[in-house]
Amino acid sequence: AQKVTQAQTEISVVEKEDVTLDCVYETRDTTYYLFWYKQPPSGELVFLIRRNSFDEQNEISGRYSWNFQKSTSSFNFTITASQVVDSAVYFCAFSTGNQFYFGTGTSLTVIP
Amino acid sequence: ETGVTQTPRHLVMGMTNKKSLKCEQHLGHNAMYWYKQSAKKPLELMFVYNFKEQTENNSVPSRFSPECPNSSHLFLHLHTLQPEDSALYLCASSRRGFYTDTQYFGPGTRLTVL
Repeated sequence: AQKVTQAQTEISVVEKEDVTLDCVYETRDTTYYLFWYKQPPSGELVFLIRRNSFDEQNEISGRYSWNFQKSTSSFNFTITASQVVDSAVYFCAFSTGNQFYFGTGTSLTVIP
Repeated sequence: ETGVTQTPRHLVMGMTNKKSLKCEQHLGHNAMYWYKQSAKKPLELMFVYNFKEQTENNSVPSRFSPECPNSSHLFLHLHTLQPEDSALYLCASSRRGFYTDTQYFGPGTRLTVL
């Protein structure tokens, strides 16, 4: 079976703390893609990143960074120096050529 | 306008009403999607259209009827809905109808069925 798991349902941090959101996937395929989306209270899913299974380089974009580790089947997302505007539900997603799976999401609350 | 737009943003309807949700993408994409997001449940893919042809129907009840007149517009026609159909309905588009492509989402229509 192929699936993606976000074990953290809800996380609360105080502003300026760093926070890591976990994403673990399960597959037998060698070619697949991983995504992260942000869903603020307004409802729209905002695309953050897409990585393919052949590119294990970590990526940094401003305060956001992603750690892709095939050895542990994980694609974790870290927000550095969190801000109140980071409060949202974050979804990890996994896809192969003919299937697409969203995780159940992690609700992040950043407390001022 | 840019990106993916959805109208209306909020809709309240009775179980005997007929209404339609509209989605429009301004990204030049060829694939469009309908998702349902209920409280405390994962996003559910409902329909996929690729070059105006329906390529996926995930066992969605017939009271939901999609229509894709062209690659830029997608509709979801609703009739005789049930209260459990209350949810956020999200539209998305991607360059091609491959799940490996990035999907870009609209703001959603929050539907309440009374």
